[in-house]
Amino acid sequence: GAVVSQHPSWVICKSGTSVKIECRSLDFQATTMFWYRQFPKQSLMLMATSNEGSKATYEQGVEKDKFLINHASLTLSTLTVTSAHPEDSSFYICSATGQGSYNEQFFGPGTRLTVL
Amino acid sequence: QKEVEQNSGPLSVPEGAIASLNCTYSDRGSQSFFWYRQYSGKSPELIMFIYSNGDKEDGRFTAQLNKASQYVSLLIRDSQPSDSATYLCAVNKGGYSTLTFGKGTMLLVSP
Repeated sequence: GAVVSQHPSWVICKSGTSVKIECRSLDFQATTMFWYRQFPKQSLMLMATSNEGSKATYEQGVEKDKFLINHASLTLSTLTVTSAHPEDSSFYICSATGQGSYNEQFFGPGTRLTVL
Repeated sequence: QKEVEQNSGPLSVPEGAIASLNCTYSDRGSQSFFWYRQYSGKSPELIMFIYSNGDKEDGRFTAQLNKASQYVSLLIRDSQPSDSATYLCAVNKGGYSTLTFGKGTMLLVSP
């Protein structure tokens, strides 16, 4: 149980385009989903927290107009990187809670974004 | 002071040895403590969590928590080369609060 999927697993796009990443909890209803970014050899950086049906809460320094988060259902959250630039190239990982009793976060496999 | 601190390593142990990974945290309100394993290029995988003082065992893994000292550790018995990864410590203040992650300790198990 507690399986989280992400799609796509990797994407290459041109500078200025927008990219949408989907995060799904496959076998449980996720009360909360989280989006992280991780640069090479760096630690996880929380970008935002989202709850179904409400606006996402962004961490300080994360541009909410650039990183659009939609949490339309208890099993699906999407992150859209708008007008992507090379500096947005990173490993984007989502996680979800709702399965465990202690709010354990279960991570998706991640999406590697490369912006040319 | 960083909220969750871990030695970045690498921690090198021979195959079959016990690997000891340590983590300290600054917020005394922290309630749940998690250990994740992250292989290079992959996302974190939950190994185990602990919320009460003392030890919690799961197979080759033992988590230890000392809230008075604000210290949590992970012991890996009979270490295998496949255990080579970065181990992330994370703390949660309870409820639906976010996790605060340490920067991770790289473990290298040599055959």
